[in-house]
Amino acid sequence: GENVEQHPSTLSVQEGDSAVIKCTYSDSASNYFPWYKQELGKRPQLIIDIRSNVGEKKDQRIAVTLNKTAKHFSLHITETQPEDSAVYFCAASIPNAGNMLTFGGGTRLMVKP
Amino acid sequence: GAGVSQSPSNKVTEKGKDVELRCDPISGHTALYWYRQSLGQGLEFLIYFQGNSAPDKSGLPSDRFSAERTGGSVSTLTIQRTQQEDSAVYLCASSSGQPSYEQYFGPGTRLTVT
Repeated sequence: GENVEQHPSTLSVQEGDSAVIKCTYSDSASNYFPWYKQELGKRPQLIIDIRSNVGEKKDQRIAVTLNKTAKHFSLHITETQPEDSAVYFCAASIPNAGNMLTFGGGTRLMVKP
Repeated sequence: GAGVSQSPSNKVTEKGKDVELRCDPISGHTALYWYRQSLGQGLEFLIYFQGNSAPDKSGLPSDRFSAERTGGSVSTLTIQRTQQEDSAVYLCASSSGQPSYEQYFGPGTRLTVT
């Protein structure tokens, strides 16, 4: 089955700096890669996703890149703010297999004011 | 519109007892997923329902776990003879199905087995 690895497990940045979180996946059949943000005690919230037919997607301060050949994808947050502090999860899913998500282990991002 | 809802929000039970967790998906969403999140860990897939098709139970950790979805809407996850290692947050997600892959999560049920 699919296996998703996520790095780093914790990331501390200064407000205004950029943050990058990286994930690798094992199954080349995966074609959908969402990112979720989870604040303490809250539900995971979808913040951005990318499908395998594109290499990059951007939404304001957040961008995701995908390298299908290398089977890795990354989340980029620019101009970080304290409210970006949370745990971020990457995931991958395989079409025609229910689209159930296989999650990475999570990255705790701390943005210091 | 209303998002995914789950009940109860918290459940404390004694080891060996059975528990039922409920999920109300977003209206019209045909796909429903259950995941488990242990303390400080990522999310682990448990079971998936799509319309009236047979569920994909490949993620259930043991035969003590079962789930059903009545009328293609509400789902119940049942854990029989609970063990301490079952303690976790159980999250439900729903999706409108292809071509949309987005899954929207409920607030979860925090299960504590004492």
